[in-house]
Amino acid sequence: EVKLVESGGGLVKPGGSLRLSCKASGFTFRNAWMSWVRQAPGKGLEWVGRIKSKGDGGATDYAAPVKGRFTISRDDSKDTLYLQINTLKTEDTAVYFCTMRPVVEADFFDPWGQGTLVTVSS
Amino acid sequence: SYVLTQPPSVSVAPGKTAKITCGGDNIRNQDVHWYQQKPGQAPVLVIYDDKDRPPGIPERLSGSNSGDTATLTIRRAETGDEADYYCQVWDSSTDQPVFGGGTKLSVL
Repeated sequence: EVKLVESGGGLVKPGGSLRLSCKASGFTFRNAWMSWVRQAPGKGLEWVGRIKSKGDGGATDYAAPVKGRFTISRDDSKDTLYLQINTLKTEDTAVYFCTMRPVVEADFFDPWGQGTLVTVSS
Repeated sequence: SYVLTQPPSVSVAPGKTAKITCGGDNIRNQDVHWYQQKPGQAPVLVIYDDKDRPPGIPERLSGSNSGDTATLTIRRAETGDEADYYCQVWDSSTDQPVFGGGTKLSVL
């Protein structure tokens, strides 16, 4: 069974930093293109960014609102995806989901982790 | 960038058919995907590539795509179908995914 489990969320002051993790299991993680998607309270889904597999170059790409502050990385030896969030703003308050393309050719996401809540507040 | 428009809410009586729309410029030229999200849970893929169902998704859920509107149809609606539904496409101009704003389905 493919499983994604996020962790690392919490309460952070504006301007602070946080690193989220997503532990993967049930598939060959090193071959997967992984994404982060967030959802602010009561709002819709917002794609944050993506990292390709190292075999496909390992490139990252980010949504405009987070570019320059968010960094996605991966440790294939640990089957783990990361999201480093710097200079946190109140508008970054959201549940952050880890998800993936089931096959590289797909342009949809399946499955999704359960999410981890990040709250930015003074 | 590409914009997807969904109605904020749709209501349907139990046992009837609900249609949730997703509007976009020439969306028929896009592959549209649909996610179901129940309160406090992660999104679940229910339709991909306009009309295909992942394993385990009931045949009561179906998708179509024509002109400027893609549609998720839920037949014989059940209270368990109450959820937020999001459409999604891949914007080739930015090489990034785009989500619709979501539609809350009420079965009552």
